[in-house]
Amino acid sequence: DSGVTQTPKHLITATGQRVTLRCSPRSGDLSVYWYQQSLDQGLQFLIQYYNGEERAKGNILERFSAQQFPDLHSELNLSSLELGDSALYFCASNEIPSGTYNEQFFGPGTRLTVL
Amino acid sequence: GQNIDQPTEMTATEGAIVQINCTYQTSGFNGLFWYQQHAGEAPTFLSYNVLDGLEEKGRFSSFLSRSKGYSYLLLKELQMKDSASYLCAVQDSYGGSQGNLIFGKGTKLSVKP
Repeated sequence: DSGVTQTPKHLITATGQRVTLRCSPRSGDLSVYWYQQSLDQGLQFLIQYYNGEERAKGNILERFSAQQFPDLHSELNLSSLELGDSALYFCASNEIPSGTYNEQFFGPGTRLTVL
Repeated sequence: GQNIDQPTEMTATEGAIVQINCTYQTSGFNGLFWYQQHAGEAPTFLSYNVLDGLEEKGRFSSFLSRSKGYSYLLLKELQMKDSASYLCAVQDSYGGSQGNLIFGKGTKLSVKP
């Protein structure tokens, strides 16, 4: 158990709908990262938040957005869902990296199925 | 561009040794991670290399050659529970982005009796 929690564990919805995925980082961690993992793809970095502010952006679609709240939990919002959005969505967290080391601790993921 | 290559699948026998290779071409480099991921589960940290050479941790070892853009993960005394995907990830250059991780697609290892 990494200490990172994600809800819900599974989500089934229809095309065109909107969903919200939630992540609570490890106690003391200020950075939250979101990743998408499709069947034939590796972990694709979506976005990073640090202490409430967006820090870095990866391959995140305009239909997707995220935020980090004052209590440091984060939400990933996916809208106008398409079949291709079906994937495992992982959240990871860590402290401010000291030096260069950037080990990330992953939550159990949310499996999204779009029908 | 950013490119990380690993074999897609490998098969090995229980008790044997297996080496999983990873080559990378990235705009920056600040370390290389190996993660283990069982199907449908979260990736878990295995090793980190930032300097050239071999890092050993129990049955697992990881090697890095920065000049060759190459790393491998060595698993010894394979057990059935080692059947999983192994993800190679390069930490991009440290800076304002806090050195984000770029993952390869992973190598699915099957350990057979």
